[in-house]
Amino acid sequence: GAVVSQHPSWVICKSGTSVKIECRSLDFQATTMFWYRQFPKQSLMLMATSNEGSKATYEQGVEKDKFLINHASLTLSTLTVTSAHPEDSSFYICSAPTGDTEAFFGQGTRLTVV
Amino acid sequence: AQKVTQAQTEISVVEKEDVTLDCVYETRDTTYYLFWYKQPPSGELVFLIRRNSFDEQNEISGRYSWNFQKSTSSFNFTITASQVVDSAVYFCAPRYGNNRLAFGKGNQVVVIP
Repeated sequence: GAVVSQHPSWVICKSGTSVKIECRSLDFQATTMFWYRQFPKQSLMLMATSNEGSKATYEQGVEKDKFLINHASLTLSTLTVTSAHPEDSSFYICSAPTGDTEAFFGQGTRLTVV
Repeated sequence: AQKVTQAQTEISVVEKEDVTLDCVYETRDTTYYLFWYKQPPSGELVFLIRRNSFDEQNEISGRYSWNFQKSTSSFNFTITASQVVDSAVYFCAPRYGNNRLAFGKGNQVVVIP
């Protein structure tokens, strides 16, 4: 079946630095990918829709200048958390839909900002 | 935003008991898909089942079964003969336009050996 690979699976960074998370569709092309954030014991909240070849669409309340999304190819979307702060510590997970079938999710990235 | 209600926050069952998870959703769409995902402690989301809104036939797949009632916007999920490996958070997620999933708060299932 279709596989989505997300890297890294966990990262610890210092406050003020930037962190890049990659999401790759391994055996299919994804013109759209989704980025979610999940705080401990909470639901997954959609942050933005990554669109290949065009600007990402951000959900209300998500700072586009802080969470930079680039979808440069049909198999890769990246999320960069810029100037990270402790409140950005969370579980970030991407997904890529494949038509009528289920959306395939990456393994997730646990970000800790110290 | 679309609303999904999973009222049972945490459910504890003894191994081999059945457990049913309730899901009620709101939608203005006439056609849509409904999903259940499992999230074990490692964090990844595991696809379990998918149902489209124009097919209300309830099915069984192994130890999983579901009851979809379009008239009441409910999509309940049952694990039969629970096992310790079933301990996880389970999310109900309707899919709306542009393939966007809306997640409920999740049900924490704890299976006690």
